[in-house]
Amino acid sequence: GAVVSQHPSRVICKSGTSVKIECRSLDFQATTMFWYRQFPKQSLMLMATSNEGSKATYEQGVEKDKFLINHASLTLSTLTVTSAHPEDSSFYICSAHRGGSGELFFGEGSRLTVL
Amino acid sequence: LAKTTQPISMDSYEGQEVNITCSHNNIATNDYITWYQQFPSQGPRFIIQGYKTKVTNEVASLFIPADRKSSTLSLPRVSLSDTAVYYCLVGEGQAGTALIFGKGTTLSVSS
Repeated sequence: GAVVSQHPSRVICKSGTSVKIECRSLDFQATTMFWYRQFPKQSLMLMATSNEGSKATYEQGVEKDKFLINHASLTLSTLTVTSAHPEDSSFYICSAHRGGSGELFFGEGSRLTVL
Repeated sequence: LAKTTQPISMDSYEGQEVNITCSHNNIATNDYITWYQQFPSQGPRFIIQGYKTKVTNEVASLFIPADRKSSTLSLPRVSLSDTAVYYCLVGEGQAGTALIFGKGTTLSVSS
């Protein structure tokens, strides 16, 4: 079964509104989670590293004020897309390592459509 | 982080063995090689991970030569449901370290 869960799986919103996507580690604690974005027929692009209890680390070119990341507990990280625009429409995927090393588990993904 | 190069696409028929090779010439000593499978509108799913030589699990084998500059994912007797994108990733595989995705290989299996 899934060890990393995302919610919602699909969301449609109007341009200018904000949308929050949740990422939960189901049976383990994750001090670090990662957020990726994937456009159609493209690969996953790392957006940011979410650190429990501290500020997220954003990849070059990703606007931290637009993509707000909160990692308030060891099992939950949230990504808020603020003032969404149609170009923010994408598939957002989170991930986390279970345990100290090895396999990186991915969530099911969240499809965001901005009208 | 080491860059990976894979074929963009491959075609196969049901029941055949499929080998997907990945080049990672700049792999570091601490790097592991991990392969993921992704279906449309789903998150990537772990297939196999290795450091050197050969690793086998219930779904695939991973062959890594001594110089570790490449690796080959072997899928025995593929089925239609193996049609997906396969990603080869290289990284430390430690908690707190993200994996960077390359373009992946789109495998199409036909009957």
